Amino acid sequence: KNQVEQSPQSLIILEGKNCTLQCNYTVSPFSNLRWYKQDTGRGPVSLTIMTFSENTKSNGRYTATLDADTKQSSLHITASQLSDSASYICVVSTLRAGNTPLVFGKGTRLSVIA
Amino acid sequence: GAGVSQTPSNKVTEKGKYVELRCDPISGHTALYWYRQSLGQGPEFLIYFQGTGAADDSGLPNDRFFAVRPEGSVSTLKIQRTERGDSAVYLCASSPVRALNTGELFFGEGSRLTVL
Repeated sequence: KNQVEQSPQSLIILEGKNCTLQCNYTVSPFSNLRWYKQDTGRGPVSLTIMTFSENTKSNGRYTATLDADTKQSSLHITASQLSDSASYICVVSTLRAGNTPLVFGKGTRLSVIA
Repeated sequence: GAGVSQTPSNKVTEKGKYVELRCDPISGHTALYWYRQSLGQGPEFLIYFQGTGAADDSGLPNDRFFAVRPEGSVSTLKIQRTERGDSAVYLCASSPVRALNTGELFFGEGSRLTVL
């Protein structure tokens, strides 16, 4: 069964600290993996996309990694800010035809405190 | 508009009532998705439209839920005989055809449904 598991479920860190969020997936065949940020009361917004051939990609203070062999991805946030407080959702796309190709994780709830 | 628009933003209804939630996708986006999100959970897939037709409705929980997209743009999610368990945020997302399999979804702000 295609699944996406995220850990930790929630995380609290001090402003300025770094953190790493994990995403493990069993989706097959794999097309790509995308991290979304969802602020409270808002819809998710895409942060970055990882394709099969990419290992690391940065978007400002966010760095995503992908290990297609172990089917793991991480999202590293550097020098966290209060505005980073949100849920971070990992979404994996399959190459299946017909049905929706997207499998969502449940998200990691990050709280950055002063 | 520039983004995906959902109305109403909040809806409170009584158990047993009928509810309609509307989604206006980004102009030109052919794919439209409905998701349901409970507190502390990730979005749960309901239905996916490609143009006017439902390409995948396997996520609809039961026959009380129905969605239409008659002209390939605006979509309406319809819930009959609402139950308290239907309370959630209903998210709509759209995607351009070139991004169908890349997970590039553009989400609306959601419609928060509360069934008393």
